[in-house]
Amino acid sequence: AQTVTQSQPEMSVQEAETVTLSCTYDTSESNYYLFWYKQPPSRQMILVIRQEAYKQQNATENRFSVNFQKAAKSFSLKISDSQLGDTAMYFCAFTPNYGGSQGNLIFGKGTKLSVKP
Amino acid sequence: ETGVTQTPRHLVMGMTNKKSLKCEQHLGHNAMYWYKQSAKKPLELMFVYSLEERVENNSVPSRFSPECPNSSHLFLHLHTLQPEDSALYLCASSQDRTPAYEQYFGPGTRLTVT
Repeated sequence: AQTVTQSQPEMSVQEAETVTLSCTYDTSESNYYLFWYKQPPSRQMILVIRQEAYKQQNATENRFSVNFQKAAKSFSLKISDSQLGDTAMYFCAFTPNYGGSQGNLIFGKGTKLSVKP
Repeated sequence: ETGVTQTPRHLVMGMTNKKSLKCEQHLGHNAMYWYKQSAKKPLELMFVYSLEERVENNSVPSRFSPECPNSSHLFLHLHTLQPEDSALYLCASSQDRTPAYEQYFGPGTRLTVT
C-alpha cells in the first residue's frame, strides 16, 4: 500500500525568508505523480506544484520548487521569499500513473505553515 | 473561484436524519471525486466517478451513497450517520483521471453529526 508521510505538523517562517516542507512516500510503483496542494484558511484546496516521477528535473513554479529524490522517496517543497498569503495547510500527495488507481490521490496529514510579518 | 461549488457549506444533522450534499462543476470535466477531511487525519478518497460511472469506492460505509446524474453534478446522500462522520467533505473534478490533469477542489461542506 502506498503511504505519504509529512513529519512536520507545524512550521513558521518570517516573511521574505525561505522555508522547506518535508514529505516522504512509500510505493513499489515506478510510474507515478507527486503533488503539493495548499489549503488556505478559507478551505479551498489548490494545486501548488506537481512532479512526474520519470522526470529527473525538479519542478518549479515561480517561488515554489521541489527537491525530488526518487531513490530516497523524498519530495520536499521549498518556498522562497515567503509571503503572508502563503499561510496555509500544505499537503503532499501521491498517485500512480496507470492502472485502476490512476488519479486516486493519497494525501499526507499536512503541514500547517504560518508566515509571520 | 475554481469552478467547483458545493452546497450547503455547513450542515448539522442528527443521526436519524437524511440529507444530501451537492457538488457542481462548471469546467467541463469528466471525472469527479468525494473526499473526507477529518481532523488529524489525511484526506481520504471516498468515491470516484468517471464519465458518470462509479469507478472507485474506497470501502466507504453504506450510510454514504453517491450519485452522479450527469458529468456536472455529484451528490452524496447521507443517512443514519454517526458522530465520527463529522468532517469536512470535499468535492473535486478533473478533465479525466489522468494525473497530468489537475484536480480542482470545491470549498467543502462542514458536516456536524449530533
